[in-house]
Amino acid sequence: EDQVTQSPEALRLQEGESSSLNCSYTVSGLRGLFWYRQDPGKGPEFLFTLYSAGEEKEKERLKATLTKKESFLHITAPKPEDSATYLCAVQDLNTNAGKSTFGDGTTLTVKP
Amino acid sequence: NAGVTQTPKFQVLKTGQSMTLQCAQDMNHEYMSWYRQDPGMGLRLIHYSVGAGITDQGEVPNGYNVSRSTTEDFPLRLLSAAPSQTSVYFCASSYSEAGRYEQYFGPGTRLTVT
Repeated sequence: EDQVTQSPEALRLQEGESSSLNCSYTVSGLRGLFWYRQDPGKGPEFLFTLYSAGEEKEKERLKATLTKKESFLHITAPKPEDSATYLCAVQDLNTNAGKSTFGDGTTLTVKP
Repeated sequence: NAGVTQTPKFQVLKTGQSMTLQCAQDMNHEYMSWYRQDPGMGLRLIHYSVGAGITDQGEVPNGYNVSRSTTEDFPLRLLSAAPSQTSVYFCASSYSEAGRYEQYFGPGTRLTVT
């Protein structure tokens, strides 16, 4: 059974204080690992898909990395507008595309 | 493009009532999915579709039905609403092309069952 565990559950940072969010996963074969940003009352917003160990992707102050067991979302010099819940999800190669397993998310608060 | 649209945005039902949550996408994506999100939790897959006429169950399918007669639409039917179905429901559409995969979500429907 596919599993995704995100840590920490909540993270409070000062503006400019860099940190990382963790996503540990278990799948029989990885089709892709996905990161989403979710603002209160909104649907998840797609950020990245990572496909193989060693891959990295960047978007503004966010950088996602992938190993065979986990992914990190690095946030460099965060700003208050980066405050949101960040969700990680995986798709297993042995299931149909369209079937993702999500973690419970990390709620990031960035104080000015 | 409107992306993924969902209606209604809010709904209150009484126990035992039935209703349909609507979802539509205009990106010609082959895959569509329904998730529910409960407070403090991630998304759990209810049903999904890999193309028109093809649907399958996800992690929490009981009490819900789906059908997909067109590429664009993927309605979710609650057969007999129960308080345990109080949640926020998200529809998503996605594509897989040349080994690349991306998924996009609608704004959600907040359902309360009393």
